Amino acid sequence: DIVMTQSPESLAVSLGERATISCKSSQSIFYMSNSKNYLAWYQQKPGQPPKVLISWASTRVSGVPDRFTGSGSGTDFTLTITSLQAEDVAVYYCQQYFNSRTSFGQGTKLEIK
Amino acid sequence: EVHLVESGGGLVQPGGSLRLSCAVSGFTFTTYYMSWVRQAPGKGLEWVASISQDGSDKYYLDSVKGRFFVSRDNAEDSLFLRMNSLRAGDTAVYYCARHFCGGDCSVFNFFDLWGRGTLVTVSS
Repeated sequence: DIVMTQSPESLAVSLGERATISCKSSQSIFYMSNSKNYLAWYQQKPGQPPKVLISWASTRVSGVPDRFTGSGSGTDFTLTITSLQAEDVAVYYCQQYFNSRTSFGQGTKLEIK
Repeated sequence: EVHLVESGGGLVQPGGSLRLSCAVSGFTFTTYYMSWVRQAPGKGLEWVASISQDGSDKYYLDSVKGRFFVSRDNAEDSLFLRMNSLRAGDTAVYYCARHFCGGDCSVFNFFDLWGRGTLVTVSS
């Protein structure tokens, strides 16, 4: 099974500043035949289900603000939130769907400093 | 509008059984792979099980294999999770989730739609 490891576990950033979350997979989740990385990022606010932000490592889902950017390939991925807003306080998860037995990172809690 | 609504959660004793349901509306259920994902109190997300569009392919988390059984009724637009031999470690909010379908409607897709979840508590 593929293990997803996120860092840091928690992060405090000032309003208007940049937040960066890392996600590493225990094996490559890049599929050469279609040149896609099978990685998604989710945002979960308290009392709510997760909401997908980024798919295929770097494709922003419709309606997601452009301050959210996904990058990386192979085993190393990053979610960057530029110009942090108060409504971005949440827990963020990465997920690999390269394997039929999908798996999530342990989550990164983002707070305002 | 598209909706996933879970039900069937509750308090059950260790060793007991429970059947969760997920009622679907607003989209063509038979087009999509579906999954169950759980979240223990204060913890992260853990995938539990997935089922193909016609129910012929199923995948399970190792720790629930042989105890949990995923199924679907396409005539009733419903997804189910039968949970047997429940343990304290199974205590969680259980979410029903839809796999994205954008041409390739396989299991190898992210979750684009989630229900609000149903809480299962295993305790004596």
